[in-house]
Amino acid sequence: AQKVTQAQTEISVVEKEDVTLDCVYETRDTTYYLFWYKQPPSGELVFLIRRNSFDEQNEISGRYSWNFQKSTSSFNFTITASQVVDSAVYFCAAGETGTASKLTFGTGTRLQVTL
Amino acid sequence: GAGVSQTPSNKVTEKGKYVELRCDPISGHTALYWYRQSLGQGPEFLIYFQGTGAADDSGLPNDRFFAVRPEGSVSTLKIQRTERGDSAVYLCASSFTGASGYTFGSGTRLTVV
Repeated sequence: AQKVTQAQTEISVVEKEDVTLDCVYETRDTTYYLFWYKQPPSGELVFLIRRNSFDEQNEISGRYSWNFQKSTSSFNFTITASQVVDSAVYFCAAGETGTASKLTFGTGTRLQVTL
Repeated sequence: GAGVSQTPSNKVTEKGKYVELRCDPISGHTALYWYRQSLGQGPEFLIYFQGTGAADDSGLPNDRFFAVRPEGSVSTLKIQRTERGDSAVYLCASSFTGASGYTFGSGTRLTVV
């Protein structure tokens, strides 16, 4: 069984600020997947990134970056120079290996970016 | 199709009634998933299909819930004797394999009154 904790329920920032969304996971699996999804007000979940547990390299995609640290069981997500369009609920999730068929989601962090 | 399509987008039903929720996955995606999202919560896994068969139905809460995918494409989630606690957004997703990122549909908001 896996567990994902997103301790930050809601974060408010002003546009152009950097913001980090925290994710802590628990798993007994030696290999697993970690994901981030974005859920804008429209409601549709948008895939952002998948990370395999044996690949601890950090990743950057435009203004988005992810910091994966197995030592602290964390997979944090940073948005640089936030924009109003980044306002959404962000979910971290963990998946079983092999097929990653079942994802366990955290409760989400609502990010509000204002002008 | 271009994305995962779910119908209806909204469904209001009376307690005790039977409902069917439909999911039309992306063409060619062999894996299909159903999740349920209650207000303020993350999605919770219900069932996963690989092709026509249910590979993992461990998330179905009880025997009132059932899902089928008879031809390996469209799937229907069926809920019998609905209860007010079944009210939630039911999300469908599909992928080529489970290890790739899912593509989610917009969901069906079910309200049981």
